[in-house]
Amino acid sequence: DAGVIQSPRHEVTEMGQEVTLRCKPISGHDYLFWYRQTMMRGLELLIYFNNNVPIDDSGMPEDRFSAKMPNASFSTLKIQPSEPRDSAVYFCASSLAAGGVYNSPLHFGNGTRLTVT
Amino acid sequence: TQLLEQSPQFLSIQEGENLTVYCNSSSVFSSLQWYRQEPGEGPVLLVTVVTGGEVKKLKRLTFQFGDARKDSSLHITAAQPGDTGLYLCAGGIIQGAQKLVFGQGTRLTINP
Repeated sequence: DAGVIQSPRHEVTEMGQEVTLRCKPISGHDYLFWYRQTMMRGLELLIYFNNNVPIDDSGMPEDRFSAKMPNASFSTLKIQPSEPRDSAVYFCASSLAAGGVYNSPLHFGNGTRLTVT
Repeated sequence: TQLLEQSPQFLSIQEGENLTVYCNSSSVFSSLQWYRQEPGEGPVLLVTVVTGGEVKKLKRLTFQFGDARKDSSLHITAAQPGDTGLYLCAGGIIQGAQKLVFGQGTRLTINP
């Protein structure tokens, strides 16, 4: 079975440019999560969706970040304009039920390493 | 400040030794998950513990959830080089909405 697919794997861009990260969750999973990982802050939850509807976006750093899920098989995370402090590895994950409370595991993609110069 | 504190942050030991990694919080969690992450990949679930005091074993790995559901430990017996990786604990909590929050991780290196 195909796991969570993220693209691109690596992205290098200049400050001020728009960046779009893409994710295809596992078919049948009804939750989709976007996390960001840095050495300083570890894995931070940015936003998550249930049945394509955003449930919690309290982790989105600021208005420069936006996320959409137009259908059950696709989501995007956009940064506009990008800044050097956005450099991190961005992970998408999916699950059958909200992780933790319902004890369902998160299935992570292999991430997108973003470098903003 | 991190909701979940993991210790140690870094650990390097010789093959065959035993080790314990800790995950602590002042908050109560509905469940606690442990993940392992290898370079260039996403985290992969190892185990979920739900009940206070629960102990689960996965081959040479033993996971325990604290009685008060505020802390957890991971014990590895006779560590092997294949155990090398970043170990992450994650707690299920309600902060406005249900979510899973991660600790910063313990980077474990097992030397042959």
